[in-house]
Amino acid sequence: KQEVTQIPAALSVPEGENLVLNCSFTDSAIYNLQWFRQDPGKGLTSLLLIQSSQREQTSGRLNASLDKSSGRSTLYIAASQPGDSATYLCAVAGGTSYGKLTFGQGTILTVHP
Amino acid sequence: GAGVSQSPRYKVAKRGQDVALRCDPISGHVSLFWYQQALGQGPEFLTYFQNEAQLDKSGLPSDRFFAERPEGSVSTLKIQRTQQEDSAVYLCASSLGRIRSYGYTFGSGTRLTVV
Repeated sequence: KQEVTQIPAALSVPEGENLVLNCSFTDSAIYNLQWFRQDPGKGLTSLLLIQSSQREQTSGRLNASLDKSSGRSTLYIAASQPGDSATYLCAVAGGTSYGKLTFGQGTILTVHP
Repeated sequence: GAGVSQSPRYKVAKRGQDVALRCDPISGHVSLFWYQQALGQGPEFLTYFQNEAQLDKSGLPSDRFFAERPEGSVSTLKIQRTQQEDSAVYLCASSLGRIRSYGYTFGSGTRLTVV
């Protein structure tokens, strides 16, 4: 059974710092990995989707890498801003053709001014 | 519509009451998923539809949970005889294709509180 772990569980940083969120998964037979953002009381917003054949994806200040063989992904956020404060969730799709997602528990990020 | 719409946003149910949660996916999206998110946890898979066919219901926690998508668009998740452990946020997601290559768009969820 696929298990996804995110480290750290919570992170508090001053504005402007570069930071890294970590995600690991136990079964490397995945089809893709997706990073989501969740604001309090809201649904999930997709940030980056990395296919299994890819090594990384970038969108603005966000960069996500994938090392499928070692079961790891990192989300790098450059020049963090208070508006980045949210819960960040990592999810992997595998085991089925339609991409059922297995999520980690999330990293709660607080960026203070 | 432009996004995945879920209703109601909030639902308070007395223990033993039946509830129905609605999901309107993005028009034309073939795949539809339901997830359950307990407080402080990541979402967990409940069930999957490809058009009107329910292809995977392995995540439904008990036979009190039932989902349908009769015309391949709107979906309803029904919970019978609600229990306190059913309290959670129920998220719906849709995807354009049948296969895993496509990303997912999530709705804002329905927060169910059973008292």
